[in-house]
Amino acid sequence: DAGVIQSPRHEVTEMGQEVTLRCKPISGHNSLFWYRQTMMRGLELLIYFNNNVPIDDSGMPEDRFSAKMPNASFSTLKIQPSEPRDSAVYFCASSFGGSMNTEAFFGQGTRLTVV
Amino acid sequence: GENVEQHPSTLSVQEGDSAVIKCTYSDSASNYFPWYKQELGKRPQLIIDIRSNVGEKKDQRIAVTLNKTAKHFSLHITETQPEDSAVYFCALPSSGSARQLTFGSGTQLTVLP
Repeated sequence: DAGVIQSPRHEVTEMGQEVTLRCKPISGHNSLFWYRQTMMRGLELLIYFNNNVPIDDSGMPEDRFSAKMPNASFSTLKIQPSEPRDSAVYFCASSFGGSMNTEAFFGQGTRLTVV
Repeated sequence: GENVEQHPSTLSVQEGDSAVIKCTYSDSASNYFPWYKQELGKRPQLIIDIRSNVGEKKDQRIAVTLNKTAKHFSLHITETQPEDSAVYFCALPSSGSARQLTFGSGTQLTVLP
C-alpha cells in the first residue's frame, strides 16, 4: 500500500477563493482524521470520520470549513472562502479500528498558503 | 478533548547523551500512550507506544515509561544521534465515544554533534 495519499502537496491561493484538499486513506482503514498544524497551535484535530460517518467535528474552526467522506477511499476538506489565517499544513491520517488505540498513519500533508 | 501537557518545548543535547521528554494527562481512563516523531518538513510517524498494562517498553535506543498513579508518561532516547533531531509529540485518545487522538504541544529536540 502506498500509505495515506494527500493532494495537492502545496496550494497557494488568494483570499476569498475556495480550497479543496483531498485524501485517500490506507485501504482497509475505517477511521480518518483531518489535522491542521501551525507553529502557534501545534497539531489540531479538525474532524474525525469512522466508517465514513463524521463522529466529531468540534475542531472545525468555523462554518467556512467543511469535510466529506463519500466513500471509504476518499475524503475532502473544503475551505470557502479562504482567509490568510487558514495558512497551515493540513494532514490527513487513517487508522484501523473504531478508536485511536492503534497507530495513526499520516499523509505527507498539504501546505496551504492563502495570500 | 483530553488535556495533555508536554515538556520541555525545546531540548538540546550533545550527541551520545540521553534525552527525556515528559507528558502529563488528566483522564485516568486513558490506556494507550503513543509517541510520534516528526522530522522537518515531513509527516508525524509513530515511533513507540505503550498500553496501560505495562510500565515500560523499550525498542533499541528509545523507551517509554508510564506512571499511571502520577498520570505521566515519558519518552527516553539514549545515545542520541544527529538523526534523532526532530519534533516529538506525545498523544492520547480522548475520553468519550469519539476517541480522537489529541497531541501534546511538541518538543523540538536538537542533537548537537
